[in-house]
Amino acid sequence: DAGVTQSPTHLIKTRGQQVTLRCSPISGHKSVSWYQQVLGQGPQFIFQYYEKEERGRGNFPDRFSARQFPNYSSELNVNALLLGDSALYLCASSLIRRADTQYFGPGTRLTVL
Amino acid sequence: GIQVEQSPPDLILQEGANSTLRCNFSDSVNNLQWFHQNPWGQLINLFYIPSGTKQNGRLSATTVATERYSLLYISSSQTTDSGVYFCAVESVGVAETQGGSEKLVFGKGTKLTVNP
Repeated sequence: DAGVTQSPTHLIKTRGQQVTLRCSPISGHKSVSWYQQVLGQGPQFIFQYYEKEERGRGNFPDRFSARQFPNYSSELNVNALLLGDSALYLCASSLIRRADTQYFGPGTRLTVL
Repeated sequence: GIQVEQSPPDLILQEGANSTLRCNFSDSVNNLQWFHQNPWGQLINLFYIPSGTKQNGRLSATTVATERYSLLYISSSQTTDSGVYFCAVESVGVAETQGGSEKLVFGKGTKLTVNP
């Protein structure tokens, strides 16, 4: 079975632009979570979606939004990009909502100039 | 929120050596995972281990939930073991009113370098 996939792998944007990142979970997984990892730190939780509903939100501004589609894939949108948004964005999927192994995708590396 | 501390922050070994990485956490957990992040950023699952002991080849892990710590053991290390090792936990205390989300909280990681 294919693992978690993310696209694009790399992205370069300028300040003020908007970006959309995409994630496809492992087949059969209904939970998708997004994390941001800045250089030298551990990943930080942004959102979790389960059965197409938002189930959790981390401490990120409203410029960050996400959604989950009927096929359980997900998009993360970031508006009005800032230099500080430069990071590796990771998507994780799991079978159930809580207390389950999370599997991570390869990430999208976003650079904001 | 729950705090996760990993030690040591950096570890340099010669190939063939053994090592122990530690993860302390400040609250009861219902999920604890160990990951290896390779140089390309991919987080690779090593163990899902909220309690007990597991082994997978040269790697093993033990979580003592009552004392709020977990250990990752690497035996006969190889250069391919280099990278950053993360411990991540989900607190039992995440209330249903918060949506009960599976929010993993990561430590800052242990950077392992294995020299030939």
